[in-house]
Amino acid sequence: DQQVKQNSPSLSVQEGRISILNCDYTNSMFDYFLWYKKYPAEGPTFLISISSIKDKNEDGRFTVFLNKSAKHLSLHIVPSQPGDSAVYFCAARLNIRDDKIIFGKGTRLHILP
Amino acid sequence: DGGITQSPKYLFRKEGQNVTLSCEQNLNHDAMYWYRQDPGQGLRLIYYSQIVNDFQKGDIAEGYSVSREKKESFPLTVTSAQKNPTAFYLCASSTPSGTGTQYFGPGTRLLVL
Repeated sequence: DQQVKQNSPSLSVQEGRISILNCDYTNSMFDYFLWYKKYPAEGPTFLISISSIKDKNEDGRFTVFLNKSAKHLSLHIVPSQPGDSAVYFCAARLNIRDDKIIFGKGTRLHILP
Repeated sequence: DGGITQSPKYLFRKEGQNVTLSCEQNLNHDAMYWYRQDPGQGLRLIYYSQIVNDFQKGDIAEGYSVSREKKESFPLTVTSAQKNPTAFYLCASSTPSGTGTQYFGPGTRLLVL
């Protein structure tokens, strides 16, 4: 049973526009949510995270929004750049004790010229 | 330079053979993790270790074994019992920072001959 769901396998966005990647979760006990970016044949790189007690976190072109009542989070990338083309994984941590995180299946973002 | 290294980048396994994937980190992180990524899938946790000489099974531990004799090293052995070993293997580490952020190595692609 998937606890972290990314329902869009892929997304295409014009360069310069906003990219919005979505993620839903089922476990209300998650205390941190994270986004990772992954290029083919490379390890994921950490992008941005948000605590469950916040509703927004911003870092440069990247903003993550958390809607706890809907159990939904989204990553906004503005403006989208060619180098943003990658697979984006949403992840969530269940508790601080063991630091395990659960990953979604990823969304492939294509930035179109 | 601090980071996580994985070797080799590509590894070939013959039927019935055990192979060991290396993971080393010089980030002074306490926790280390092994994940497996298959096409179209998220990252699935194989084993993790919170401290030297201790490790726990993840979601898909069958057919794998690990050791954690040193803080810097967390090798993964893919045994002959693992019937579908072809995948991209990722090692990660983290420190109890409160945010759950894990940092990943570049990965090893395992192929069966």
